[in-house]
Amino acid sequence: AQSVAQPEDQVNVAEGNPLTVKCTYSVSGNPYLFWYVQYPNRGLQFLLKYITGDNLVKGSYGFEAEFNKSQTSFHLKKPSALVSDSALYFCAVRDPGNAGKSTFGDGTTLTVKP
Amino acid sequence: DAGVIQSPRHEVTEMGQEVTLRCKPISGHNSLFWYRQTMMRGLELLIYFNNNVPIDDSGMPEDRFSAKMPNASFSTLKIQPSEPRDSAVYFCASQGGANVLTFGAGSRLTVL
Repeated sequence: AQSVAQPEDQVNVAEGNPLTVKCTYSVSGNPYLFWYVQYPNRGLQFLLKYITGDNLVKGSYGFEAEFNKSQTSFHLKKPSALVSDSALYFCAVRDPGNAGKSTFGDGTTLTVKP
Repeated sequence: DAGVIQSPRHEVTEMGQEVTLRCKPISGHNSLFWYRQTMMRGLELLIYFNNNVPIDDSGMPEDRFSAKMPNASFSTLKIQPSEPRDSAVYFCASQGGANVLTFGAGSRLTVL
């Protein structure tokens, strides 16, 4: 079985400060890991993914995430937050042997204040 | 590419009526997923197809829900009869070789 945990329902940061949105996962094999973002009244949009290779993955809009196998984590980070980063963020995991089915976390609402 | 196209964007209906949601995936994507999003339950996978064949429908809540994918460019999710607790945003997503899901804008369903 595969699962994802996003331990924080909400993250608040000030504009210009670094941000971290946490994600831990459980999967039987080597994981495929993803971050998606959802703006109000929109569908989810892909931010970045880890499949293999370098543990530090860079994605859209200046976001990055670090795959940590020992801690089974894939935290999303950005060095300097923007007000426009305020949105709902989802972490997702897929076991490559699971025929394409991804499991999503419950989501974390990021609020960046001016 | 226009992305994943869903219709209708909004649907308001009365309890007991049939609801049909439609999805056109991205051309060339071989997997299609139907999700439901609510405040209470978050994002739930209802069913997914691979090469037009249903692979896993364990997330379909009841027999009132059914989904079809008659060809590679079209899928429907049907609820018959609808109930107020079916009110949610329903998302269709397609996936190609890059392992990334592309979501549609969603269909917001309100059952009165």
